[in-house]
Amino acid sequence: DTGVSQDPRHKITKRGQNVTFRCDPISEHNRLYWYRQTLGQGPEFLTYFQNEAQLEKSRLLSDRFSAERPKGSFSTLEIQRTEQGDSAMYLCASTPPANVLTFGAGSRLTVL
Amino acid sequence: KQEVTQIPAALSVPEGENLVLNCSFTDSAIYNLQWFRQDPGKGLTSLLLIQSSQREQTSGRLNASLDKSSGRSTLYIAASQPGDSATYLCAVRVFGNEKLTFGTGTRLTIIP
Repeated sequence: DTGVSQDPRHKITKRGQNVTFRCDPISEHNRLYWYRQTLGQGPEFLTYFQNEAQLEKSRLLSDRFSAERPKGSFSTLEIQRTEQGDSAMYLCASTPPANVLTFGAGSRLTVL
Repeated sequence: KQEVTQIPAALSVPEGENLVLNCSFTDSAIYNLQWFRQDPGKGLTSLLLIQSSQREQTSGRLNASLDKSSGRSTLYIAASQPGDSATYLCAVRVFGNEKLTFGTGTRLTIIP
């Protein structure tokens, strides 16, 4: 297990379509995070899981966004009815408790 | 609300020079502070993590300091190399909260 994997790396979609991103964390990491980063900005926190439990959600995560981590392993982030403002890099990170976050390479979303 | 600021937004220096990147934060009740590196279009790589009880951390040519009372951290890069060119982000975590709050980064260019 070499790191945090994210798929797809780049997704281009039309406004109104649904998209789903997948994150596979480092296997022994029980904590998983999703962040969103727009051009020229730092990442912004979206949500956080400890094992399969979603413990915190940002107000940035509107009703169109949903994240799951069904078995405490991989996680998915779904965006329904995409809008142009959703265009961003979606970053996943994982960590053991109280440790350094390891980020994946990100999934870039472009909404046309 | 924690706010993190990084100044300057961009910095260019000749190869071989030592340099300092700055990070300031508004809420001094931090749990830890991390410095990350981000290459264009890529995810984040953790460079250094400073716990709230620590004053500095060192890794190779990198040294990060933390002054909680003044709400500041610096990242010192010695003997800069063209491969150091990247965006450097600092992020803070406060007690009782899992999320990291990021600055907008400093885009560093090392001129050969």
